[in-house]
Parts: sequence; structure tokens; C-alpha cells
Amino acid sequence: RKEVEQDPGPFNVPEGATVAFNCTYSNSASQSFFWYRQDCRKEPKLLMSVYSSGNEDGRFTAQLNRASQYISLLIRDSKLSDSATYLCVVGHNDMRFGAGTRLTVKP
Amino acid sequence: GAGVSQSPSNKVTEKGKDVELRCDPISGHTALYWYRQSLGQGLEFLIYFQGNSAPDKSGLPSDRFSAERTGGSVSTLTIQRTQQEDSAVYLCASSLDGGARDTQYFGPGTRLTVL
Repeated sequence: RKEVEQDPGPFNVPEGATVAFNCTYSNSASQSFFWYRQDCRKEPKLLMSVYSSGNEDGRFTAQLNRASQYISLLIRDSKLSDSATYLCVVGHNDMRFGAGTRLTVKP
Repeated sequence: GAGVSQSPSNKVTEKGKDVELRCDPISGHTALYWYRQSLGQGLEFLIYFQGNSAPDKSGLPSDRFSAERTGGSVSTLTIQRTQQEDSAVYLCASSLDGGARDTQYFGPGTRLTVL
């Protein structure tokens, strides 16, 4: 079993749609959780950290469920510029990346 | 300030040749990571350096792969006797102290093509 698993997608949604990504992790001792964004042929960049209480940054909401060992990312009112691959990252002694979920937002 | 830099940006080599990929982390960052990303795939962890500690080599796919980090700064990833399946983008990242809550900053990657 992979340490971090994500639905690979792709997710194809119209502008303005709400889209949710889930990610599960296997190490119950994991301490930190992030979502990174990777544009086509670019390096990954931090999108947001995920806190136990859940957190929101504009149109983006991240949640953590430790009991079920999953993390989610919700994007509301999606924009064309949100098209990218979203990588779930889980940290223990180091950080491990999921394979990513590809999102395409269409006009 | 300067981010993570990698060189070369592109490398084309013949099967069986050795290659060296270089990473310059952000100044002051003690943690350095190497990843590999094949076309359309996620990031595959290769190796992790943290300060003076022994590196975590658990992700290296074979003994043809090795990496070193001299003086706690620049790192070199070496692939010996390259194979076609080694073709991928090799990404380097650094973070301040390698803690589980640290943000990783990625370099632009080296695109390796093995013919």
C-alpha cells in the first residue's frame, strides 16, 4: 500500500463549480499535512497547510480527519487558473507526496 | 532571495552513460530532498539529507543511484549506467530544518532523457 494515496482524476469541471479532492495516508503517526499545487511542466509549490481544526484560504478549504486518516481539499467557485495537479503531502520524519489529482477547469 | 537552483535544466544521454545532476538549495536550509517525476506521474521520493545526519536513502531505486551533499549545501545526484527507464524530471527541494511541518521549496528540475 502506498503511504499517500489520491484519486488520480482527471477532474474536468466548468468554471464556478465546486470540486473536492480526497487523500488517504497510511502512517497514523503522521504529524503534518499539506496541499501542493503543480502546474504543467513546473515544480510543485505549497498551496496550503492542513490543520487539525480545518482551515480556509479564500476559495480553498482543507480538512483533516485523523481517525480515518484522510485529508480533503475543497475548491469553491473554481477558476480557469485553478487548472493544475494537486498533490497531497503527509509529513512524519520527512514528507511523502501523493501522485496528485489533475484538475481541468473549462469555460 | 535566490530559490533552489538545479543544473543542467535538460540532459540527454545515451544508455549506459553516467550522469550527474546538481542542486543548490536555498541558503541556510539544512534539509535537502531529491525526487523523481516520470511523465504524468506523481513525485517519487529518492533521498533526504538533514544537516550532518546520515541521509535517508530509502527511496533510491537501485544501487546505480547515489547522492552526496558536500559541506551541507550543494548536492549531486549521480546515476550510473543510465537506463531508458531513468528518463524523468529530477526535482530537488530544500526546507529550513527538515521538520515535518516545514515547507519544501522546489527547484525547476532537471529533465533527463536516456536514449
